[in-house]
Amino acid sequence: QVQLVQSGAEVKKPGASVKVSCKASGYTFTSYYMYWVRQAPGQGLEWMGIINPSGGTTTYAQNLQGRVTMTRDTSTSTVYMELSSLRSEDTAVYYCARRASPGRNPYYFDYWGQGTLVTVSS
Amino acid sequence: IVLTQSPGTLSLSPGERATLSCRASQSVSSSYLAWYQQKPGQAPRLLMYGATSRATGIPDRFSGSGSGTDFTLTISRLEPEDFAVYYCQQYVSSPLTFGGGTKVEIK
Repeated sequence: QVQLVQSGAEVKKPGASVKVSCKASGYTFTSYYMYWVRQAPGQGLEWMGIINPSGGTTTYAQNLQGRVTMTRDTSTSTVYMELSSLRSEDTAVYYCARRASPGRNPYYFDYWGQGTLVTVSS
Repeated sequence: IVLTQSPGTLSLSPGERATLSCRASQSVSSSYLAWYQQKPGQAPRLLMYGATSRATGIPDRFSGSGSGTDFTLTISRLEPEDFAVYYCQQYVSSPLTFGGGTKVEIK
């Protein structure tokens, strides 16, 4: 069965960086683009970016350009999201989510990771 | 594309019908609209895609309708497990966007 398992909660100081992992299993890792979505406490969902696990190409949300980096390791079927220059507004639960079918255009998500809480506090 | 969901909160009793609205700032062609359910402390769960197609395992009390800029998610008879927050999402264009959510709470 398809599973996306994310790394554990993190507490960071303003200005630091955080790297969240998402390990995929139960399907062909390189066939499905992976998205990252975040959710601030009590708020809605915000798309952060997308990575092609096959070629490693990425597209990021405009408001995060320059601060976010998404990478992948095909040997472990894991995607990573690193966010730098953290500020309090980055406190959120970060989710990886699989595109529901092979392809690169915007789409919906059929499987989600369990979420990783990142808290930014001095 | 900005998605506006209404109402913000819906207070209903088990067995009642729930009607949730999602309005788009421009046309969502080919009904590239999805709905998700999210319970506290959990990741969102896909309910509907293509505006009207139920995802795998979703009971038939959930239905979706609409086209263009106006979409609706209907829960015909609320079960206790249906009390949650519901989000719509458009995927017709990048960046994909989500609505602000509708909370369905027990009256």
